[in-house]
Amino acid sequence: DAGITQSPRHKVTETGTPVTLRCHQTENHRYMYWYRQDPGHGLRLIHYSYGVKDTDKGEVSDGYSVSRSKTEDFLLTLESATSSQTSVYFCAISDPGTVTYEQYFGPGTRLTVT
Amino acid sequence: RKEVEQDPGPFNVPEGATVAFNCTYSNSASQSFFWYRQDCRKEPKLLMSVYSSGNEDGRFTAQLNRASQYISLLIRDSKLSDSATYLCVVIASGGSYIPTFGRGTSLIVHP
Repeated sequence: DAGITQSPRHKVTETGTPVTLRCHQTENHRYMYWYRQDPGHGLRLIHYSYGVKDTDKGEVSDGYSVSRSKTEDFLLTLESATSSQTSVYFCAISDPGTVTYEQYFGPGTRLTVT
Repeated sequence: RKEVEQDPGPFNVPEGATVAFNCTYSNSASQSFFWYRQDCRKEPKLLMSVYSSGNEDGRFTAQLNRASQYISLLIRDSKLSDSATYLCVVIASGGSYIPTFGRGTSLIVHP
């Protein structure tokens, strides 16, 4: 299995509080991604990074920010959590230097905003 | 129209059955194709890449039809442990390396 960890694995927080999720990889892959997964919507890309300090928005980026100060860490921040951000969050990595660009996923973070 | 479409199912089949899933994509510039498997409350895991010539891995066969813009996954001799959601993933050319996921097809294999 690819070396990807996410922390925390579960979190319950209140509306209006800031929340930071961490993704850590040991594979030295250049690309890192944050997704959310909700019933009826599948996986939706929030933000991604193509290198240290290089990030871009995905299809559902409103209300989220990211930072990548080291190759191995990609942080997702909810500045002021809302109930609509209750979801399962997956981090993924890939290395387009390989032939087929496949992604590998972390175990997920289950976030509940009350 | 969604970029990547899958029949959500569920496909409910007995053990030993052969089952096939299709996935259509709208971007003709798509260059890389994958099938992922996702178990309930777990992360998606790469099942297999899909090559132009088709490829097989044990009981699993993946095929690509560029002319009709679809990929398929065939599972032979289904096992109870094959019960999962199967996600179709497509990556377009152009350098962004951003995958597009289908919403998944649910498979339930029963005794």
